[in-house]
Amino acid sequence: NAGVTQTPKFQVLKTGQSMTLQCAQDMNHEYMSWYRQDPGMGLRLIHYSVGAGITDQGEVPNGYNVSRSTTEDFPLRLLSAAPSQTSVYFCASSYPQDSGGEAFFGQGTRLTVV
Amino acid sequence: GQNIDQPTEMTATEGAIVQINCTYQTSGFNGLFWYQQHAGEAPTFLSYNVLDGLEEKGRFSSFLSRTKGYSYLLLKELQMKDSASYLCVPMDSNYQLIWGAGTKLIIKP
Repeated sequence: NAGVTQTPKFQVLKTGQSMTLQCAQDMNHEYMSWYRQDPGMGLRLIHYSVGAGITDQGEVPNGYNVSRSTTEDFPLRLLSAAPSQTSVYFCASSYPQDSGGEAFFGQGTRLTVV
Repeated sequence: GQNIDQPTEMTATEGAIVQINCTYQTSGFNGLFWYQQHAGEAPTFLSYNVLDGLEEKGRFSSFLSRTKGYSYLLLKELQMKDSASYLCVPMDSNYQLIWGAGTKLIIKP
């Protein structure tokens, strides 16, 4: 059972470049989310989805887009990378939040924007 | 606003017991999670409390008092591998998880 698969693990971008972080889960979870974590800080929610075809903004959505065409996949797109987007990104999935389900995380993507 | 208060760092000795306290203020409340996060890794689930009281799971126990906005994580028989950050994560009325920076626990031999 693969759980949550997140790629790539490391990425260096130049300012202004775009890229997509991939996230896939095989647990049939309805709820998926993207977080960023800066050094010494807690996770901050970027975007989330409560099911296929439904997405919503989190705390820090600017500069990022998401889509949810299938239950399994939830890619995160950086439109025009900026140094302020240098961070560690985590994808997570769970059963609906109101069920108290634990979140399962991908391994993380360390992104550096130069 | 929404707020979580945990010690920034704690130190304990291998084999001992440590209690990590957490107080929180949220817009509504729908339960509280504890996660463990080793340096450079993703968080992993430890426990979930929605009712007042103590939940025990092996060497780890978690306590919740909703009226006091208070929770603690108790770790027994500490092992070197328990060196990690411990995150107290309440869920608000919209079922959104509120993440703080957590408590960095250092275990010494």
